[in-house]
Amino acid sequence: NAGVTQTPKFRILKIGQSMTLQCTQDMNHNYMYWYRQDPGMGLKLIYYSVGAGITDKGEVPNGYNVSRSTTEDFPLRLELAAPSQTSVYFCASSYGTSGSRVQYFGAGTRLSVL
Amino acid sequence: AQTVTQSQPEMSVQEAETVTLSCTYDTSESDYYLFWYKQPPSRQMILVIRQEAYKQQNATENRFSVNFQKAAKSFSLKISDSQLGDAAMYFCAYIPNSGYALNFGKGTSLLVTP
Repeated sequence: NAGVTQTPKFRILKIGQSMTLQCTQDMNHNYMYWYRQDPGMGLKLIYYSVGAGITDKGEVPNGYNVSRSTTEDFPLRLELAAPSQTSVYFCASSYGTSGSRVQYFGAGTRLSVL
Repeated sequence: AQTVTQSQPEMSVQEAETVTLSCTYDTSESDYYLFWYKQPPSRQMILVIRQEAYKQQNATENRFSVNFQKAAKSFSLKISDSQLGDAAMYFCAYIPNSGYALNFGKGTSLLVTP
């Protein structure tokens, strides 16, 4: 019963460093998503993917990149970390627009950029 | 633009009592889904309940039920027989059937007292 797995759980970066947040799901979902949650706020969509090889921008994509080479994996790349990217990052997956529209979330990655 | 408003930043309820969390949303869509997610201190986003806009019947899941008023664009969550484990942040979320992103409110922090 793994569901959506995110690694790492915590990370501290220095300004200008790069890193990749990993996300994998074992539910055979076509759709995957990356959200960020800032303090006192709900989640906002960064990028999403409707299938392998297909990605698109969400509401807050600046400073991030994604790729989707397999159905299972959807990594999020931060190229030049900035303090504004300090946040909690959630990966999610779902069956798509013909299903229940329920999105299943990973446990999140807390990222601090100092 | 689609927005979700949770007007109660914090709520408190005694164990075994009933509490209602409010949510309103703004949309021009006619086909959409509404959700309540629970986020305990562990940070995990857990689905509590789901409502399809085309269904007039209010959704229920054990002690959790909703009052869905489509014309008023209102979607409140009622928790009956509150338990200490219900203490968490609760997020109301909306997604149009034509869209990909969940639109979240800012959340309501629920405190359960013995």
